[in-house]
Amino acid sequence: EVQLVESGGGLVQPGGSLRLSCAASGFTFSSHWMSWVRQAPGKGPEWVANVRQDGSEKFYVDSVKGRFTISRDNAKNSLYLQMNSLRAEDTSVYYCARDIFPMVRGVFDYWGQGTLVSVSS
Amino acid sequence: DIVMTQSPDSLAVSLGERATINCKSSQSVLYSSNNKNYLAWYQQKPGQPPNLLFYWASTRESGVPDRFSASGSGTDFTLTISSLQAEDVAVYYCQQYYGTPQTFGQGTKVEIK
Repeated sequence: EVQLVESGGGLVQPGGSLRLSCAASGFTFSSHWMSWVRQAPGKGPEWVANVRQDGSEKFYVDSVKGRFTISRDNAKNSLYLQMNSLRAEDTSVYYCARDIFPMVRGVFDYWGQGTLVSVSS
Repeated sequence: DIVMTQSPDSLAVSLGERATINCKSSQSVLYSSNNKNYLAWYQQKPGQPPNLLFYWASTRESGVPDRFSASGSGTDFTLTISSLQAEDVAVYYCQQYYGTPQTFGQGTKVEIK
């Protein structure tokens, strides 16, 4: 059974940092693109970043470029999102998601339950 | 960025009746080299993450009931629930994966009339 379990969310002040983690199991982690998708309260999902199977390519939405870094450790079946210079508008539930296709990014067939990041003073 | 616009924002349908959701992209998501539309549909129930229903505009994900169908090409797409069931109450999102960033529509809330 595919499982994605996020951790690391919490309350942080504007300008602060958080590191999210996603523990994957039940599939060959190193065979899939992996993504972070966030959803602000009452809003639709917003794709944040994704990373190639071997970590060699990374893509970001413009609003987080230079502040967030996606990474992965295939030996540990884990995905990460380092978030720096956090802003109030980054407040969201952050989901770890598996990309369904090995060669095409952006279709998410498994999602974690999410971790809430709240940015407030 | 490709903007995805759904209509209507909300929809109330009687049990057993048809529900139709439209999605329009600001530019074509049809990739000419493989003739595939880079368009997916998701269902999200309260307190849950989104659940993939369709990709390539009309390919049903495993386990999705066949009362759900999807169609369209280029810039105009449709998700249809042929006979609404109580468990279909949810918010539905279209999403394009033709360009980066991958973008979602604003969602359509489906309720029981």
